[in-house]
Amino acid sequence: AAGVIQSPRHLIKEKRETATLKCYPIPRHDTVYWYQQGPGQDPQFLISFYEKMQSDKGSIPDRFSAQQFSDYHSELNMSSLELGDSALYFCASSFLTGAGELFFGEGSRLTVL
Amino acid sequence: AQKVTQAQTEISVVEKEDVTLDCVYETRDTTYYLFWYKQPPSGELVFLIRRNSFDEQNEISGRYSWNFQKSTSSFNFTITASQVVDSAVYFCALSGLSNTNAGKSTFGDGTTLTVKP
Repeated sequence: AAGVIQSPRHLIKEKRETATLKCYPIPRHDTVYWYQQGPGQDPQFLISFYEKMQSDKGSIPDRFSAQQFSDYHSELNMSSLELGDSALYFCASSFLTGAGELFFGEGSRLTVL
Repeated sequence: AQKVTQAQTEISVVEKEDVTLDCVYETRDTTYYLFWYKQPPSGELVFLIRRNSFDEQNEISGRYSWNFQKSTSSFNFTITASQVVDSAVYFCALSGLSNTNAGKSTFGDGTTLTVKP
């Protein structure tokens, strides 16, 4: 069965650069979530989209933005990268917000040097 | 506000021992979901179980079992006859069912389980 696809799996950037992470949810899933997991930390909710509209927002820095496109894939854009942005970024998708389990992608590991 | 507490930061057992991972949660929602995830050293988050708040029936899946006690707001996870491959970080998570909380899972800090041969 198709799973949540995230790209790239690994990304190395310099401070103050910009990074874009992509997420392709499971087909027919209507909700996408982004989570950030710092080293030794638990995943922290960043933002979610339901039917291409932002549905909820967590602890997402103003330097970050995200959107969901007409084909339901989502992109997380991170600008003016800081060392503290180094983390594993997970995308998850679900069907019927609140009723379905979250299916997580394998994560994108961002390293900021 | 939602909160998930996994009091055990690290647990180390010898293979074939049984081990229980504790999870205590707080929420104002009357209906909610509880989850357990496994995160092996490779980093991915592996879904193990989802339990909704109105189903307190305990569940067993192979060597895994879960004990949901709504009266004590606990959702403990037991691995029977542990194996080295069970070594991972295990996260307990809570998600509300309202539109504003759905999917916005709150994770515990995780319990690192090490199973030694």
